[in-house]
Amino acid sequence: GQQLNQSPQSMFIQEGEDVSMNCTSSSIFNTWLWYKQDPGEGPVLLIALYKAGELTSNGRLTAQFGITRKDSFLNISASIPSDVGIYFCAGQLYSSGDKLTFGTGTRLAVRP
Amino acid sequence: GAVVSQHPSRVICKSGTSVKIECRSLDFQATTMFWYRQFPKQSLMLMATSNEGSKATYEQGVEKDKFLINHASLTLSTLTVTSAHPEDSSFYICSAGKGDTDTQYFGPGTRLTVL
Repeated sequence: GQQLNQSPQSMFIQEGEDVSMNCTSSSIFNTWLWYKQDPGEGPVLLIALYKAGELTSNGRLTAQFGITRKDSFLNISASIPSDVGIYFCAGQLYSSGDKLTFGTGTRLAVRP
Repeated sequence: GAVVSQHPSRVICKSGTSVKIECRSLDFQATTMFWYRQFPKQSLMLMATSNEGSKATYEQGVEKDKFLINHASLTLSTLTVTSAHPEDSSFYICSAGKGDTDTQYFGPGTRLTVL
């Protein structure tokens, strides 16, 4: 199945640093979503984006829906140890019955 | 709230046996549920879409006779892995949609190990 390209694949940063990751697709989506997955658990929704160009924040997280509808980025400011995990973007297309297509994931490690 | 549970959380079985995994929406009715599979260090791959009262829709490459899905009620969908083999060992995750929005809520996953 199709997957979205996410970069970077992994990041190892110092606590307090800002983090930026992005997601690109060859096709457009109606909705972009960002999830965080901890080991052995299901993904948890962080931010949902519904309109091209939309910029949305959730605490220290900020995400944007690209103007072309083919990309999105997620920023985490002032990282803390509990930010550790795998971050997935996901695209959703109404015409495909709300199915989600997931990105390849970005693994984040935070050094205290 | 929108809580989705899965049972069991982990299961170990012998090759050739069948395993049933349950996905329940605890505080809402889910018209649609989705089943994903995730291999180690990989992303989630959609296996099938389950609609209450109708047959599931399988993604390309997913054997419907091997992965039986039953969405018997608005709060329960089951995935049965029939005649399981070691290559079926994976993390199986379900999600459920409320119907009023397109948001999907994920369960905690089921770790299947086939010996």
